[in-house]
Amino acid sequence: DAGVIQSPRHEVTEMGQEVTLRCKPISGHNSLFWYRQTMMRGLELLIYFNNNVPIDDSGMPEDRFSAKMPNASFSTLKIQPSEPRDSAVYFCASRYYPSGIPSGNTIYFGEGSWLTVV
Amino acid sequence: DQQVKQNSPSLSVQEGRISILNCDYTNSMFDYFLWYKKYPAEGPTFLISISSIKDKNEDGRFTVFLNKSAKHLSLHIVPSQPGDSAVYFCAASGWSDNQGGKLIFGQGTELSVKP
Repeated sequence: DAGVIQSPRHEVTEMGQEVTLRCKPISGHNSLFWYRQTMMRGLELLIYFNNNVPIDDSGMPEDRFSAKMPNASFSTLKIQPSEPRDSAVYFCASRYYPSGIPSGNTIYFGEGSWLTVV
Repeated sequence: DQQVKQNSPSLSVQEGRISILNCDYTNSMFDYFLWYKKYPAEGPTFLISISSIKDKNEDGRFTVFLNKSAKHLSLHIVPSQPGDSAVYFCAASGWSDNQGGKLIFGQGTELSVKP
């Protein structure tokens, strides 16, 4: 079975440019999360969707960040304009919710998109 | 404002000994807790979990302990093996949260198991 698929795996861009990260969740999953990994804050939740609807975007750093989920099999995280402090690994994760059991809270991660803004 | 905290950024243990990784949380509404393991250049993978109705869950060499009164959980690995060397993330969720139980992660602890 295919896991969560993220692209690109690596992106190097210049400050001020637009960056778009993409995610395909596991087929059948209806919750999708975007996380950012930093040394100071660990895995920081940016936004998550249930059934394609954004539920909580309180973790989105600022207006330069936006996320969409136009359908159940695709999501994007966009940074415009990008800044050097946005350099990090961005993870997408998915799960099926509600599963009816607490273990349904287990989420499955993609391999991440490594972003470097110079 | 970190709701889930892992105060030890790193831990080094000898092969065969016990590894104990700690995690503290502040939100009393959390009722489901998970540990994830992450190797370099890979995404985190689920390791073990525990619900708030239990105080211990065991899976092979891995045991998670939950102390609700102290808002503390720990992961024990016995015996530790070099392949266990990775970053371990603690996560917490409010299953009863009608917004879908978002997972909040700690900062991670890097475990190094030396042969």
